[in-house]
Amino acid sequence: EAGVTQSPTHLIKTRGQQATLRCSPISGHTSVYWYQQALGLGLQFLLWYDEGEERNRGNFPPRFSGRQFPNYSSELNVNALELEDSALYLCASSLVPGHMNTEAFFGQGTRLTVV
Amino acid sequence: AQTVTQSQPEMSVQEAETVTLSCTYDTSESDYYLFWYKQPPSRQMILVIRQEAYKQQNATENRFSVNFQKAAKSFSLKISDSQLGDAAMYFCAYSLADKLIFGTGTRLQVFP
Repeated sequence: EAGVTQSPTHLIKTRGQQATLRCSPISGHTSVYWYQQALGLGLQFLLWYDEGEERNRGNFPPRFSGRQFPNYSSELNVNALELEDSALYLCASSLVPGHMNTEAFFGQGTRLTVV
Repeated sequence: AQTVTQSQPEMSVQEAETVTLSCTYDTSESDYYLFWYKQPPSRQMILVIRQEAYKQQNATENRFSVNFQKAAKSFSLKISDSQLGDAAMYFCAYSLADKLIFGTGTRLQVFP
């Protein structure tokens, strides 16, 4: 069974540009969660999508947005990139929507570098 | 506010020895879950162990066990018979409904 997959592995963008990150959950999982892992910090919750809708978002500005497609894959878009957006972006999916009490399966992340 | 604190940025252990990683958390909830995740250089977060707060018995998974002190809001991870493959970042996390609250991590080095 394929795990959570993310693409691209690495992404380099210039300040002010837009970045698009992609995630495919484990088959059968309808919920996708996005986390930001900046250097020296733990993971910070960004967004949760389930059944095509944004269900919750963390304390991030509106230029962080995304969507979920009918096949449950998801995109994270970061507009007007700033240097401090450089981080590892991790995607996760869980068997029970909205309940991270069950095991959350993570992808290998996208390393975004803003120069 | 719910917070998770890992006060040891780095730890080291000799192969085959035992090491304990510390974690404290703050919450006003009575029923919640706690986790330890491992992040090797491959960057993928891997669940090591999970503890349900309403269970008094400490969770164990092979060489990994926890010391859960609910009153003290402490959740430490003990790794026995350490192996080179245990070298990684370890994150303590608290489950709050639809999100996980993570600590800042402890980097574990294992020396042969």
